[in-house]
Amino acid sequence: KNEVEQSPQNLTAQEGEFITINCSYSVGISALHWLQQHPGGGIVSLFMLSSGKKKHGRLIATINIQEKHSSLHITASHPRDSAVYICAVRDGGSQGNLIFGKGTKLSVKP
Amino acid sequence: DAGITQSPRHKVTETGTPVTLRCHQTENHRYMYWYRQDPGHGLRLIHYSYGVKDTDKGEVSDGYSVSRSKTEDFLLTLESATSSQTSVYFCAISEHNAGTGGLETQYFGPGTRLLVL
Repeated sequence: KNEVEQSPQNLTAQEGEFITINCSYSVGISALHWLQQHPGGGIVSLFMLSSGKKKHGRLIATINIQEKHSSLHITASHPRDSAVYICAVRDGGSQGNLIFGKGTKLSVKP
Repeated sequence: DAGITQSPRHKVTETGTPVTLRCHQTENHRYMYWYRQDPGHGLRLIHYSYGVKDTDKGEVSDGYSVSRSKTEDFLLTLESATSSQTSVYFCAISEHNAGTGGLETQYFGPGTRLLVL
């Protein structure tokens, strides 16, 4: 069983739709990261959180430590949001190494 | 954007040849990482460094070695490349947050596409 599971694997949405990507993990963590990988391959860190909720523009990330679950929400989605979104958890007992999910490929159609 | 560069960006090599990938940072961050990314897998850690000359193995370290003689450079070497090492390689950097006691977010380089024939 993978330690970090993301769902869905693929997601197609119409422009303007509200999008939710889920991440569940099975290990104790000290932090959870959401990353965005553009079609060109570059990886950008969106959020790092260990509790509660964070918001940046149209992106919102939440985490429930008790349920070992995090969600990434995109409001008013736009074609430029099309990318692979990756969840990663930082193992609480390590040097801070990250364990990555396989990613969710999002395509937003105009 | 964090100052991280990788070289080369693309490389084609033959099985059995040595290959060295370079990661260079201008942020003076203590921690540096090498990952590989393959279809059907998440990013997987190859090796990491927590200071000059301080390195440790990650999840998929077999067939790879690293060196860090300066804060700004982290080298990944494939001593004898194999076709299974065809992949996209990403370097990342991070820093320790003295206030929280944890590590800050990781910043990724642009990646190196390696094809081993």
